[in-house]
Amino acid sequence: SQKIEQNSEALNIQEGKTATLTCNYTNYSPAYLQWYRQDPGRGPVFLLLIRENEKEKRKERLKVTFDTTLKQSLFHITASQPADSATYLCALGNDMRFGAGTRLTVKP
Amino acid sequence: KAGVTQTPRYLIKTRGQQVTLSCSPISGHRSVSWYQQTPGQGLQFLFEYFSETQRNKGNFPGRFSGRQFSNSRSEMNVSTLELGDSALYLCASSLALGAGYEQYFGPGTRLTVT
Repeated sequence: SQKIEQNSEALNIQEGKTATLTCNYTNYSPAYLQWYRQDPGRGPVFLLLIRENEKEKRKERLKVTFDTTLKQSLFHITASQPADSATYLCALGNDMRFGAGTRLTVKP
Repeated sequence: KAGVTQTPRYLIKTRGQQVTLSCSPISGHRSVSWYQQTPGQGLQFLFEYFSETQRNKGNFPGRFSGRQFSNSRSEMNVSTLELGDSALYLCASSLALGAGYEQYFGPGTRLTVT
């Protein structure tokens, strides 16, 4: 069956460090993969989209990689700040299925 | 540009009743998707509409239905409500169909079934 797994339910890091979140998938051959941020009680907010032929994409302090051989995407936040604390979700598939999310806490 | 709006924001219903939720997409967006979010199950895909036609459907019972109007506005309906239907229902719009387009989410409708 198709699965999307975000390996860490929660991740705590110190301010200024790089946060790395993982999204693994099985039985999908996605042409695109997206990452979203969700704050409590609010709808997810789009962050980045990466295509299957792109190995890496960057936006300010954010970086996403997409390895179709490993069936994995990594999401990095460099120089993390307490304001980056939120749940981060990956999504893929034509019907945009979401992973369970990783709750990131950045401590000052 | 105005964002995705959902009405109502909060709703309390009794088991057995039915409910209709509304979503107005961003102007120019033609695809609308609906999701159910609960603490235990996360964000689960309900269905997606494009040009007034349901294009994709998640694994939910037939009690969950939806429609899209010619102006792209969408409604979802849940009949014979169960306690387990208590959730945050999110609507998202995108320019077109498919995973190559980013989705813009509304604030959600918090449904409580008692």
